[in-house]
Amino acid sequence: DAKTTQPPSMDCAEGRAANLPCNHSTISGNEYVYWYRQIHSQGPQYIIHGLKNNETNEMASLIITEDRKSSTLILPHATLRDTAVYYCIVRASGAGSYQLTFGKGTKLSVIP
Amino acid sequence: DSGVTQTPKHLITATGQRVTLRCSPRSGDLSVYWYQQSLDQGLQFLIQYYNGEERAKGNILERFSAQQFPDLHSELNLSSLELGDSALYFCASSPGREQFFGPGTRLTVL
Repeated sequence: DAKTTQPPSMDCAEGRAANLPCNHSTISGNEYVYWYRQIHSQGPQYIIHGLKNNETNEMASLIITEDRKSSTLILPHATLRDTAVYYCIVRASGAGSYQLTFGKGTKLSVIP
Repeated sequence: DSGVTQTPKHLITATGQRVTLRCSPRSGDLSVYWYQQSLDQGLQFLIQYYNGEERAKGNILERFSAQQFPDLHSELNLSSLELGDSALYFCASSPGREQFFGPGTRLTVL
C-alpha cells in the first residue's frame, strides 16, 4: 500500500470548514483513499473513501486531485465534536484482506 | 454506535497470565479484524478472519492467537503476558471495504 503524508496537527474555528490534506504521491491505479478518525481513545470511525472521483456523504467530502497524488478531506462546518485524529489511508482494492495501515494522522483541534 | 461490541471494556492482569478478548461483529458482517494500539506503536493490524477462516496476518506475536466462531463472534487470546502488551485492542467488522470499529478493550498488564 502507498505511503501517505499528513500534517501532524491543524486548528479550525468552530463553524468553519476544516480542510485536511493528504499526500500520497506513490499511489497506484487500483488503490483507494480512505479516511478514518479517532476521537480520544474511542474506536476509529470510518468517514469516507474514494478512487478518483470526488465523493460526498453526510459526514464529509473527499476531493482527489486529477493525478491522484493528493487528496483533501473537507468537514464543511466543523464542530467541537470533530476534534479528533484524522487518518488518511491508501489501500489496494484486491480481493481478500482490507487491513488498514494507520500512520500518525493529523490531530485536528476545533476551537470555539 | 458502530454496532460492534467488545468485552470486557477494561482488563487488568499480571505478567505471565492469559486473557481472552471478545468481539461481536455487526449483524451480517463476515469479516473481523483485530488491531492493537499502544502509545509507542500506534494502531497496528494483528489478524483478520473471514467467515471462520483466517484471512490475513499482520504484526501478531506468536503468544497471541485468535479465532472466529460459527456465529461470527471472534476471540483474541493473549498469553504469557508482558508489560509491553498493555494497550487498547480494537476489533472491527466489515461488509466489504469500510471497517466499523468497536469501542475497544483496554488491557493493563502489571
